[in-house]
Amino acid sequence: KQEVTQIPAALSVPEGENLVLNCSFTDSAIYNLQWFRQDPGKGLTSLLLIQSSQREQTSGRLNASLDKSSGRSTLYIAASQPGDSATYLCAVNNYGQNFVFGPGTRLSVLP
Amino acid sequence: DGGITQSPKYLFRKEGQNVTLSCEQNLNHDAMYWYRQDPGQGLRLIYYSQIVNDFQKGDIAEGYSVSREKKESFPLTVTSAQKNPTAFYLCASSPRDLVSNQPQHFGDGTRLSIL
Repeated sequence: KQEVTQIPAALSVPEGENLVLNCSFTDSAIYNLQWFRQDPGKGLTSLLLIQSSQREQTSGRLNASLDKSSGRSTLYIAASQPGDSATYLCAVNNYGQNFVFGPGTRLSVLP
Repeated sequence: DGGITQSPKYLFRKEGQNVTLSCEQNLNHDAMYWYRQDPGQGLRLIYYSQIVNDFQKGDIAEGYSVSREKKESFPLTVTSAQKNPTAFYLCASSPRDLVSNQPQHFGDGTRLSIL
């Protein structure tokens, strides 16, 4: 059964720092992997989707990488801002079975 | 603006009562999903539907029921058989079924509590 973990569970950094969030999954036979942002009491907003054949995707200050063989993905946030404070979740698509979500990393960027 | 609308934002359930959560989308998406989110945990799939009048159970379907009579609507009923319904419920949609490289879009959720 696919399991997704995220480390760290919470992270607090000063404004301007570059940071990395980690996502690990146990079954490498995935179709794609998505990173989401969730603000308190809100739904999820899709940030980046990496197909299984891709190694990375970039959007603005965000860069997500995927290493299927090792079951890992990272989300890199450059020059963090207080507006980046949120919970970040990763989810893997198990070849049409379902999406399996990690528990998330709660990020606080301090001004 | 296109999007997913969930209502109500907050819902309270009495003992033995069934309650229904609404999810409407105007994105013309084929697939719709219901997830449950508990504090400190990832989302867990309750039910999903890839087409009108068809739906499949997810990982935690017991105590829940759904219908898909219209493409735009995918209501979730939390029945009295669900003994621990307190959670944040999220509805999502995507243009195609699960074997797709299209991202999921989410509503803003409904928070359900027991009175």
